[in-house]
Amino acid sequence: ETGVTQSPTHLIKTRGQQVTLRCSSQSGHNTVSWYQQALGQGPQFIFQYYREEENGRGNFPPRFSGLQFPNYSSELNVNALELDDSALYLCASSSETGVTEAFFGQGTRLTVV
Amino acid sequence: GENVEQHPSTLSVQEGDSAVIKCTYSDSASNYFPWYKQELGKGPQLIIDIRSNVGEKKDQRIAVTLNKTAKHFSLHITETQPEDSAVYFCAASRGGADGLTFGKGTHLIIQP
Repeated sequence: ETGVTQSPTHLIKTRGQQVTLRCSSQSGHNTVSWYQQALGQGPQFIFQYYREEENGRGNFPPRFSGLQFPNYSSELNVNALELDDSALYLCASSSETGVTEAFFGQGTRLTVV
Repeated sequence: GENVEQHPSTLSVQEGDSAVIKCTYSDSASNYFPWYKQELGKGPQLIIDIRSNVGEKKDQRIAVTLNKTAKHFSLHITETQPEDSAVYFCAASRGGADGLTFGKGTHLIIQP
């Protein structure tokens, strides 16, 4: 058990809507990263939050945004949903930013119809 | 940016035999190389990792080797068991806030 928990586990949204996904990091971890995993692919890095600020970002458009709270939990927000946003969204926590182990939650399966 | 290639995409081995999965990376600045196991309906689980100042690391039946000159690293699983069946991902990172770049995964099937 990694201690990283995500909610909800599944949800279905309509194209054009907005969605918020949540993540609680493992105890003692202050860094949270979000990944998108399309079916049959490896996870792709969306962004990382450290000390409540985004400090790294992958190749994703601005409609993907996030927050980190003082207790190190995090949210991923996606606006103007597109069909291609359908994927498993994974949250990973680390003890700090930099070269360190990342532990993943079970993911949120988002389906956009 | 970093690009990670992983082979094979599917690997079927007899129970008790060894399995080897290989990855190559493109960014010479990458210095951290973890391996994850993902079972159906679950998130990736970190099983072993290696840093650029080490050539080999072993943990019971699992070992990872790294060749920085050739920019490739491999996962070795010995004495495979049915519970080893899963999708395995390699990844690379240069550290900082760049995140992990993953390969496309290897579906490992252990035949009884």
